[in-house]
Amino acid sequence: DIVLTQSPGTLSLSPGERATLSCRASQSISSRSLAWYRQKPGQAPWLLIYDASTRAAGIPDRFSGSGSGTDFTLTISRLEPEDLAVYYCQQYGSSQGTFGQGTKVEIK
Amino acid sequence: QVQLQESGPGLVKPSETLSLACAVSGGSISTYYWSWFRQPPGKGLEWIGYIYNSGSTNYNPPLKSRATISADTSRNQFSLNLNSVTAADTAVYYCARGGSWAGAATLIDYWGQGALVTVSS
Repeated sequence: DIVLTQSPGTLSLSPGERATLSCRASQSISSRSLAWYRQKPGQAPWLLIYDASTRAAGIPDRFSGSGSGTDFTLTISRLEPEDLAVYYCQQYGSSQGTFGQGTKVEIK
Repeated sequence: QVQLQESGPGLVKPSETLSLACAVSGGSISTYYWSWFRQPPGKGLEWIGYIYNSGSTNYNPPLKSRATISADTSRNQFSLNLNSVTAADTAVYYCARGGSWAGAATLIDYWGQGALVTVSS
């Protein structure tokens, strides 16, 4: 089974700053089948990025994804207060959709 | 716009069966992959399993012996049964829609709002 490890556990930044979130896989993820979700407090997750770098419908271009193989990154170029959330990476290429443990983004 | 809504008891006794239903509107459950996930309080997300073609299923191995997902196409809803529950099964349970092909079965574009189920006597 593929294990996803996200870092850092918590990121505390000010509005307007750049956030860089990492997701490392225990083995190579085929076809770049890696997604990123944002989960705001008390809400269901929301798809941000799929296929490692493709933004989902309606997601602003300040969100970008990159990476391949075992190392993937989500970048939020200019943080806004509404970005307070936990961000999860997920691999969906295997028959099971496993998630990382999440990175919590705090807004100073 | 696809919408999903979970329903079922919020409290289940240990050793009993947890049963949840997910009503789908704005799309047919006869297409796409339809999943259940759960999230224990303060913890991360876990995929439980999915159903597709209104009857074929696939489960997360740690839960495979206890979980059953079924579909009712006449009501356009699908359901989760999880038997022999313990306190460790206390979580928010989400139903969700995945892609239309196997390689994106658990790539989720629509989620229900979630239903908190507590296992306690």
